[in-house]
Amino acid sequence: DTEVTQTPKHLVMGMTNKKSLKCEQHMGHRAMYWYKQKAKKPPELMFVYSYEKLSINESVPSRFSPECPNSSLLNLHLHALQPEDSALYLCASSSDWNSGANVLTFGAGSRLTVL
Amino acid sequence: SQQGEEDPQALSIQEGENATMNCSYKTSINNLQWYRQNSGRGLVHLILIRSNEREKHSGRLRVTLDTSKKSSSLLITASRAADTASYFCATDASGFQKLVFGTGTRLLVSP
Repeated sequence: DTEVTQTPKHLVMGMTNKKSLKCEQHMGHRAMYWYKQKAKKPPELMFVYSYEKLSINESVPSRFSPECPNSSLLNLHLHALQPEDSALYLCASSSDWNSGANVLTFGAGSRLTVL
Repeated sequence: SQQGEEDPQALSIQEGENATMNCSYKTSINNLQWYRQNSGRGLVHLILIRSNEREKHSGRLRVTLDTSKKSSSLLITASRAADTASYFCATDASGFQKLVFGTGTRLLVSP
């Protein structure tokens, strides 16, 4: 299995809602990532989990809360979002660190619309 | 920002033609990668070139790296309509786990 699966594909939520994005991989990768991508822009790194521990937080607002329940799962909990948080949220995983290269395998993304 | 700059921002060609896109970055790197993104979907890794390499090939893809100029180019030969996508370079200039993507080139290949 060489896939990263993200659910849901589309999510519409109000500013007072609480929702979660989910990501799953079964490639045995020990690093997992959340990226945010606005239209016609490159992906921007949000969080990195390494061996199920948060290793990088790119100064993301606390209304985004990541969670890594186990080595295969990564969640992004959303609360009190703003309309400008509407974007494509991409999950990725990687391994192969021994080669000195960090190649990412991406999911198809969750498109979030905040009303 | 360590974000790479790509040019052109957009490129429109006919099937069978070659497409070249360029990436410039600001600080030293260990390697540079190229990814493709079909509209509104996830990114797919295409090719990686290490800082001690100057050129690499994979099928119809040819990547060059000039570390003295801090630039890379991606050449797609004999393009097909299915190559229509956005192409991003990515570097590890900010740290091994902090892959930073360039601004991207939108390629349109017309039949």
